[in-house]
Order: sequence, then structure tokens, then C-alpha cells
Amino acid sequence: SQQGEEDPQALSIQEGENATMNCSYKTSINNLQWYRQNSGRGLVHLILIRSNEREKHSGRLRVTLDTSKKSSSLLITASRAADTASYFCATDYGNKLVFGAGTILRVKS
Amino acid sequence: GAGVSQSPRYKVAKRGQDVALRCDPISGHVSLFWYQQALGQGPEFLTYFQNEAQLDKSGLPSDRFFAERPEGSVSTLKIQRTQQEDSAVYLCASSLVGLGSYNEQFFGPGTRLTVL
Repeated sequence: SQQGEEDPQALSIQEGENATMNCSYKTSINNLQWYRQNSGRGLVHLILIRSNEREKHSGRLRVTLDTSKKSSSLLITASRAADTASYFCATDYGNKLVFGAGTILRVKS
Repeated sequence: GAGVSQSPRYKVAKRGQDVALRCDPISGHVSLFWYQQALGQGPEFLTYFQNEAQLDKSGLPSDRFFAERPEGSVSTLKIQRTQQEDSAVYLCASSLVGLGSYNEQFFGPGTRLTVL
């Protein structure tokens, strides 16, 4: 059983376009994290947003958090072919991470 | 420095066989985690160690699954009498500190287990 659900399940865009992925979760959180997974580099931590933050930026990534709606979004601007991967949100529950099912992003060059 | 490493990267087992999956965490990392990732799904927590102590094994799906970290460094996940539903990628992660504070978990490349 997974904490979060991402949508869309899959997203296909052209290089240079922006990609937005959404995540919903069920219980109260301390923080929410986004991870990227591809076959070449495994699961890589992208960004963490704490429960008292509403927005955070890191390079071409922008994450928002709405604790009242128990949802978060990840925006990747000016996408590149190398951004092709699966993206997961994860919440911490005790000391374990609880992941959603992920969004598969394909960036076409 | 070296990241988290796992071996083997791929394992094919016949149903009923026992398997052992190894994780070498980042040197000095106190916490170690095992996750199971089924095809098309996100990783799911299996168990957590702080040094050599197994503090949480709530995610282990059955008593066929056993994990250990006897010296507080390398960990082994053992699956006895493997079943087809055990087919998944097994991910190991480590982090610097344990309970009470957030620390980023660094993941290994995973072991893909296929049970025939």
C-alpha cells in the first residue's frame, strides 16, 4: 500500500516544453521529497520541501506543497531529453519513505 | 566517494531456491534501508537498521524474508523458498544519521530478482 498517488501516470512532451507532475498523499507529513529514477542512475533525490514551506526551487525544478489539499506538484522547466525518467514523490513516515506509484516522463528531442 | 553498491545486480532463481542480496552502504552511514520495487510501482519499505540494530521490519512481506547487518555496515537481505511474487527490484539505501532528524537517503542501483 502506497501513501501517494501521482498523476499523470505517463507524460510525453517535446524538448523545451515544461512538465508538471502532481502527487497526492493521505496522512500528515513532516516533509515531501521528489525522486527521479532511470536505468542509468537508479533512484536519485531531487528536492525536499518541508511541511511549513509552500514553494521551493532548485535549478529547473519547482516544487509546490499544499498541505490543506495534501498535494504537491513538481514542475520541470525547459525539459531536456535527459529528463526522461520516472518521477516519484515520497513522504517520510517515521524513518521510512513512502513512495507513490510514479509518473513516467518522456521528453522527445 | 563511492555510493551505495549492491550485488548481484541481477539474479535469476528457480522457485523454491534461497537467495541472498548484498548491500554495501556509504562508509560511515548509520542508517540502512531495504525497499522492494515491483514493476511499474514505487519502492515499498521493507526494513530499517540503525547500525547493527534492526529497528523496523514491519514491511517484510513474510517470514521468508530476513535481513541482517551484523557489524553495522554491510547488510544482507535473504529470501528463503522464493516465490514468483518475490520477483522485483530490491533497493538498498543508506543515510548518515538515524532517528529524530531528516537525512537524505542515498540509494543503490538495486538487485533485479526474477523468480522462475
